[in-house]
Formats: sequence, C-alpha cells, structure tokens
Amino acid sequence: SQKIEQNSEALNIQEGKTATLTCNYTNYSPAYLQWYRQDPGRGPVFLLLIRENEKEKRKERLKVTFDTTLKQSLFHITASQPADSATYLCALDTGGFKTIFGAGTRLFVKA
Amino acid sequence: DGGITQSPKYLFRKEGQNVTLSCEQNLNHDAMYWYRQDPGQGLRLIYYSQIVNDFQKGDIAEGYSVSREKKESFPLTVTSAQKNPTAFYLCASTQSPGELFFGEGSRLTVL
Repeated sequence: SQKIEQNSEALNIQEGKTATLTCNYTNYSPAYLQWYRQDPGRGPVFLLLIRENEKEKRKERLKVTFDTTLKQSLFHITASQPADSATYLCALDTGGFKTIFGAGTRLFVKA
Repeated sequence: DGGITQSPKYLFRKEGQNVTLSCEQNLNHDAMYWYRQDPGQGLRLIYYSQIVNDFQKGDIAEGYSVSREKKESFPLTVTSAQKNPTAFYLCASTQSPGELFFGEGSRLTVL
C-alpha cells in the first residue's frame, strides 16, 4: 500500500543548530513533494514544494532535498530559532489533485 | 483578504446527529479538500473536489458526505454513520496541484 513516513519522535535541538527532518515514501512516484508547518490548533501553512526533477530547493533558512531513487525528502532549517518550534508535515501528490500527508514531526528548539 | 473560512470553529454533537461543517473560499480556486486530524496524527483525506459538481472519495470517506454546488463552497456533513467523529477537521483549496491553502479548522466533539 502507499505510505508516507516521518519521524514519529519529536526532534529537540538547540537554538542556532540545523534541524533535519526526514520524509520517506513507498509505492509512489510523486511528481512533487511539499512541506508544511502546523502550529497547535491551527491549519497547516505551506512552506516549500520540490518537483521530481529538482534535487534541492531553498527558501531563506529552509532547504529541501528530494531523492526519487531513495524515495526520500530531507527538510533542513538552518540557524534554528525557538519560533521554529512546530509540527512539520510532508505531503505528496498521488495523481491529479489527490494530496496525502505524513503524520508529521514535532520540532522543539530550545533557547 | 483572500482566504478560506471554516465554521463553526467548535461544534458539539450528540450521538446519532448529523452535523455540517462549512468551508468557503474567495481565492477563486478550482480544487477543494476536506481532511481529518486526530490528536498527534497527520491529516487523512476525506473527500476532494477538482471542479464544481464533481468530487472524489479520499481514504476515509465512510460516514461523511459532501457537495460542490458552487466554486467557493464545499460543505462537509458528518453523518451518524461515522462511528468516531470527534476530531479536528481541516478544509483546503488550491488552483493547481501543489500548494494547498488551509482554513483554521473546525473541532467537532461528540458528547
């Protein structure tokens, strides 16, 4: 069956360090992959989209990589700040407009 | 401001009752979605609609119904057939496969 996996354990890092989150998927060949941020009790907010023919994409302190051979995406936040503490969700397009999400990874950045 | 409005924010339902959650967007997006989120979990797709008067089942459609009579509106009805309806419900829209814009969610509690 089709599956998206993200680290279920929370990630705790010190302010200023780089946070790296992982998204693995099976039985898909997505045209693109997305990352969202979700704060408690709020709707997710779109961060980045990377296409299957792109290896890496950057936006300010964020960087996403996409390895279609490994079926994996890595999401990096450099120079992390306490305000980056949130849940980060990985999402895939499975064909047409159908978009499905992973369970998310909680990130805690300590001052 | 353009965006997605979900209402009500909080809703309580007695067992055996149907309830309808509202979702309205003024982004002129063709596609709209409903997701369900349980505590500590990711988003699961209930229904999605690519265009007016057309919609498709997602991964957990049983016990739910939708309509798409207008481009800007995509209401979700949680029927009495849904055995465990207590959850956080999120509506989203997009113009093309990719970046989803989310509402602030509706939290449904069954008493």
